[in-house]
Amino acid sequence: ETGVTQTPRHLVMGMTNKKSLKCEQHLGHNAMYWYKQSAKKPLELMFVYNFKEQTENNSVPSRFSPECPNSSHLFLHLHTLQPEDSALYLCASSQDSWNILIYGYTFGSGTRLTVV
Amino acid sequence: AQSVAQPEDQVNVAEGNPLTVKCTYSVSGNPYLFWYVQYPNRGLQFLLKYITGDNLVKGSYGFEAEFNKSQTSFHLKKPSALVSDSALYFCAVSSQGTGGFKTIFGAGTRLFVKA
Repeated sequence: ETGVTQTPRHLVMGMTNKKSLKCEQHLGHNAMYWYKQSAKKPLELMFVYNFKEQTENNSVPSRFSPECPNSSHLFLHLHTLQPEDSALYLCASSQDSWNILIYGYTFGSGTRLTVV
Repeated sequence: AQSVAQPEDQVNVAEGNPLTVKCTYSVSGNPYLFWYVQYPNRGLQFLLKYITGDNLVKGSYGFEAEFNKSQTSFHLKKPSALVSDSALYFCAVSSQGTGGFKTIFGAGTRLFVKA
């Protein structure tokens, strides 16, 4: 375990469903991230939270809604998704968004999402 | 805008042979470069980084990478491959923005080491 835990590991949902992905870290980090990993495509940075404030929304469709209630928890709320949203969703954390060069990122194992 | 290119989807190498996984980058300002590895059903794990200094950087599991500014490349290398090195390798570049550092990852290169 890396210290970043994502649940569930696998999720199958219909296009009309509402579901949420959860990410939790107890590393004392202050920045958390959502990335989308699709086969043979660059990792897509979706959202960044630094000290609970959203600092990056990388033109993500509104059917993805992030929530960061505290520095240890990050959620990704999903509704009316499309089949092309099927991917591995990775959560990462870092000391903060300024000390990346020194401390780097810690990634979770991801949630494999399938939209049917 | 910054970008990272990994020109090979897959690299095949025999165990014991040297391996190279290629990466080129584009960034305005100083390049801060990283390699991460992803094993099946796991998240990305840090391998090594170049921030400044010596162009040859050494990392985990015997991997090293050479920073070449003129060719804007940061190729990952290992003198003798192991079957256990088989995984997905990501090159990444970070640059400073208004809200902190932003990191862009490549599409990944799958390394397959055959016994």
